[in-house]
Amino acid sequence: DSGVTQTPKHLITATGQRVTLRCSPRSGDLSVYWYQQSLDQGLQFLIQYYNGEERAKGNILERFSAQQFPDLHSELNLSSLELGDSALYFCASSVGSSRRSTEAFFGQGTRLTVV
Amino acid sequence: AQSVSQHNHHVILSEAASLELGCNYSYGGTVNLFWYVQYPGQHLQLLLKYFSGDPLVKGIKGFEAEFIKSKFSFNLRKPSVQWSDTAEYFCAVIPGSARQLTFGSGTQLTVLP
Repeated sequence: DSGVTQTPKHLITATGQRVTLRCSPRSGDLSVYWYQQSLDQGLQFLIQYYNGEERAKGNILERFSAQQFPDLHSELNLSSLELGDSALYFCASSVGSSRRSTEAFFGQGTRLTVV
Repeated sequence: AQSVSQHNHHVILSEAASLELGCNYSYGGTVNLFWYVQYPGQHLQLLLKYFSGDPLVKGIKGFEAEFIKSKFSFNLRKPSVQWSDTAEYFCAVIPGSARQLTFGSGTQLTVLP
């Protein structure tokens, strides 16, 4: 158990819908990262938050957004879903935001299936 | 484009065989290097990491990796694999001033009993 909790574990939804994925970081970790793992794109970094503020942005679509709340949990919102958004979405957390503190601990992921 | 390359997509070995998984990156300058493992149905777990110092890094479960700066490589090795090492292995890099991991495409390792 990495200490990072993601809910739900599985999600099936229809095209055009909106979903919210939730992540609770390890106790004491201030940074949260979101990654998308798909068969064709591999593991892609989406976005990072540190102590409530956005710190880095990767290949995140405009239809996707995220936020980190005062209690440090994070939510990834995916809207206007398309079939190609079907993937495993991982959350990771680390203590800090600098390069040397970025030993990231991963959650078990949310498997999103868009039908 | 800057990237992380894992050339072996699927490796099949018998138990007790030696393992070497290749990882090359194309970033110049300072990099932090990692190997993660993903067992079936589980989350990514850190095997080992390199920030600086001794280029030969020892990790958990008998794995080690060698950073060769001149070759832009960080290959993962294990002298004798076990059936329980069956998993997907990901090389990852934090390049330059970035804060997030950039992953390779992964190598699926199957160890036959």
